[in-house]
Amino acid sequence: EDKVVQSPLSLVVHEGDTVTLNCSYEVTNFRSLLWYKQEKKAPTFLFMLTSSGIEKKSGRLSSILDKKELFSILNITATQTGDSAVYLCAVEKYSGGGADGLTFGKGTHLIIQP
Amino acid sequence: DAMVIQNPRYQVTQFGKPVTLSCSQTLNHNVMYWYQQKSSQAPKLLFHYYDKDFNNEADTPDNFQSRRPNTSFCFLDIRSPGLGDAAMYLCATSRDAGLVSGYTFGSGTRLTVV
Repeated sequence: EDKVVQSPLSLVVHEGDTVTLNCSYEVTNFRSLLWYKQEKKAPTFLFMLTSSGIEKKSGRLSSILDKKELFSILNITATQTGDSAVYLCAVEKYSGGGADGLTFGKGTHLIIQP
Repeated sequence: DAMVIQNPRYQVTQFGKPVTLSCSQTLNHNVMYWYQQKSSQAPKLLFHYYDKDFNNEADTPDNFQSRRPNTSFCFLDIRSPGLGDAAMYLCATSRDAGLVSGYTFGSGTRLTVV
């Protein structure tokens, strides 16, 4: 059975801190790993990772994938209160007939205190 | 702007009364997905359409059905909603052309069953 496990499930830090969110996975026919930010509405896309060792960056956020050890991390530096959200990790697998949709982890609920 | 639109944003239905949620897209993506997200849980894939081909997840209850009359529209029908079906329902689209593709989510429909 496909599995995506995120840790920690919740995290409270102070504004300005750096946080690292973890995602490990076990899926057959891995295609890509995606990170989303969710704030009481639909998930908004952050990153898609397909290759090991290549860091993707967007402002204060960055992410990297390790396909050998089957995990990814999402880093947020100089956190702000607007970063408070649930961060979802999802894995896409390929069945040969097309994209099969995403398997999500339970998410990390991040709270940034002023 | 190209987007995925879900209507309505909030839906209240009576226990056992059939309800239909709708999703439309202007992205011309060939794959459309329906996810169910219960409170504080990860989104869970119910089914998806790859073009006209319907793909049901093994554990999706028979109570849930879907229709895709054309490329732009996809409907989620719940034949006899129970209290346990109260959730956010997310529609997403992707384009699979042999390349790794991203997913675009709609804003979701929050379903309440009374």
